[in-house]
Order: sequence, then structure tokens, then C-alpha cells
Amino acid sequence: DSGVTQTPKHLITATGQRVTLRCSPRSGDLSVYWYQQSLDQGLQFLIQYYNGEERAKGNILERFSAQQFPDLHSELNLSSLELGDSALYFCASSVLDRGHTEAFFGQGTRLTVV
Amino acid sequence: AQRVTQPEKLLSVFKGAPVELKCNYSYSGSPELFWYVQYSRQRLQLLLRHISRESIKGFTADLNKGETSFHLKKPFAQEEDSAMYYCALRGATNKLIFGTGTLLAVQP
Repeated sequence: DSGVTQTPKHLITATGQRVTLRCSPRSGDLSVYWYQQSLDQGLQFLIQYYNGEERAKGNILERFSAQQFPDLHSELNLSSLELGDSALYFCASSVLDRGHTEAFFGQGTRLTVV
Repeated sequence: AQRVTQPEKLLSVFKGAPVELKCNYSYSGSPELFWYVQYSRQRLQLLLRHISRESIKGFTADLNKGETSFHLKKPFAQEEDSAMYYCALRGATNKLIFGTGTLLAVQP
């Protein structure tokens, strides 16, 4: 157990809907990362937060947004969902947001858009 | 731009054979490089990082700045090494970027 918790584990929703994925980082970790993993795409970096502030942005669609709350948990909001958004969404956390800091991963949320 | 390339989607070897999982990166500065592993039905976890220069589970990886590579090697593969391996890079922007991964299948 890495200490990173993601909920829900599975989510099935219809096109056009909005969902929220939640991530609780390891105790003491200030940095949270979100990734999308779909077939043939590997782990696509979406966004990174550190102590409540956005630190780095990747290929995150405008329909997607995220935030990190004062208690350091993070939420990824996906709206106007399309079939192509079906993927495994991973959250990771680390103590720092730089250097050789190890990132600890959650089990992921599998999103299926029908 | 930061980029990590793992050219092989699948690498199949026999038990006891040497393994080399390729990773090339694109980054203009001095990167931090990592290998992460995902065993079946488990989370991604750190295998090793270049700064440590250590051997984990018999695996080593050397950063070659001239060739911009960070290949993962093991002299004798074991069946329990079968997993998905991801090379990752962190640059000055602090983004942690992963390659597309290589599935290592070790045959008995």
C-alpha cells in the first residue's frame, strides 16, 4: 500500500456528463500529480500541484480542471465527457515537487464513458 | 520540450537471458531520471533513480548524457521480473514525464 488513495475505483457515466475523481496523498506529501493512461498512450501528464498551488501543466484539456485543497487532497473534474475520455486516471504524490523525489501512485480510477 | 521515448512496447526473453529495456530522453538541461515498475494488478512503484546509482532486484541503469539514454539492464532475467516498466524524467519545470512503457515478459 503506497498510502495514496483514489476514489472511486471504477466509474461508468454517459457522454456529456461531469465527474469528479478524488485523490488523498500520502501523509506528509505536499505534491500531487494527475495522469491519464489510455491504450497506446502511456501515462500522459495532466497537472501537478504543490501545497495548494498549481505547479505544472501538461496536456490537460480545457474540459478538465483540478484543484488541491488545504488538507492537501486533490480533485480532478472532467466535464462534457466524450467516449475518448475513457481511461485509467492515476494520482501520485511526493514530498517535494522537484529533484529525485519519489512519486507514490494510487491504484487509479477507471473511467468508462458510454 | 521534455520527452521520454521507450521504443519497445513488448520485450520477450527467456529466463536467465540478459535484459535491456531502452529509454531515450529529450531535455536540454540536467534531468532527473527514474525507472518505475508496475507488476500485474499492482500500483506503479519506483524501481530506481539515476542519482542513487544502485542496483535494485538486479537491475541497473546508467545515465548516458551523450546518447541521452537511460537504459535499464539486468544480466539474468527472472520470471518474477515480468511487468510493465516505465522510464520517467523530471526537468527544471518539475513535470514528471513518463514514457509509454515496455512490457517485459520473461518466459520459463
